[in-house]
Amino acid sequence: GAVVSQHPSRVICKSGTSVKIECRSLDFQATTMFWYRQFPKKSLMLMATSNEGSKATYEQGVEKDKFLINHASLTLSTLTVTSAHPEDSSFYICSASRSGGLETQYFGPGTRLLVL
Amino acid sequence: AQKITQTQPGMFVQEKEAVTLDCTYDTSDQSYGLFWYKQPSSGEMIFLIYQGSYDEQNATEGRYSLNFQKARKSANLVISASQLGDSAMYFCAMRGDIGTSYGKLTFGQGTILTVHP
Repeated sequence: GAVVSQHPSRVICKSGTSVKIECRSLDFQATTMFWYRQFPKKSLMLMATSNEGSKATYEQGVEKDKFLINHASLTLSTLTVTSAHPEDSSFYICSASRSGGLETQYFGPGTRLLVL
Repeated sequence: AQKITQTQPGMFVQEKEAVTLDCTYDTSDQSYGLFWYKQPSSGEMIFLIYQGSYDEQNATEGRYSLNFQKARKSANLVISASQLGDSAMYFCAMRGDIGTSYGKLTFGQGTILTVHP
């Protein structure tokens, strides 16, 4: 159990377009989902925490209007990178936990975004 | 604020040997959780092992064990009988259990482990 999927796994887009990334918990209900960003050979940086049915909580320095997060159901959270620019190119990875933050977080396989 | 430090950018080990990956942490919280994740080149983060701050016994999961020394604030990962498939990046992470850090994972810089045949 505890499988998390992400779609797409890889996306290339033109500068100025918006990209939506989906994170799904396949075999459990996830009250809380987290979105991270990772640069090559670097650590994961938490961007935001989303709880089902409520607004996401963003970490300091993360632009809410650029990185729109929606957690519409207990199995799906989406991250939309709006008006993407080359500096938004990165590896985006989500995680999900069953009941709030004290449960183990299970990670999705990640999405590689390249903005041209 | 919570901080995780992994001082070994890269480690090499011979197949079938044991290897220890270092992790130290800093927190003023009394309650917290410590995790190790493995990240192969494909990018997925694979959960390996968990240790709660109040757990008196060191956690073990198959070939993985966590050497938890609370007074030293260290949570080293020991991999026994290394396999070629263990070659990956390994991250130590801390989860806050109270306040603004509640439920959030803070990751170390990672250690790239290479297993030689």
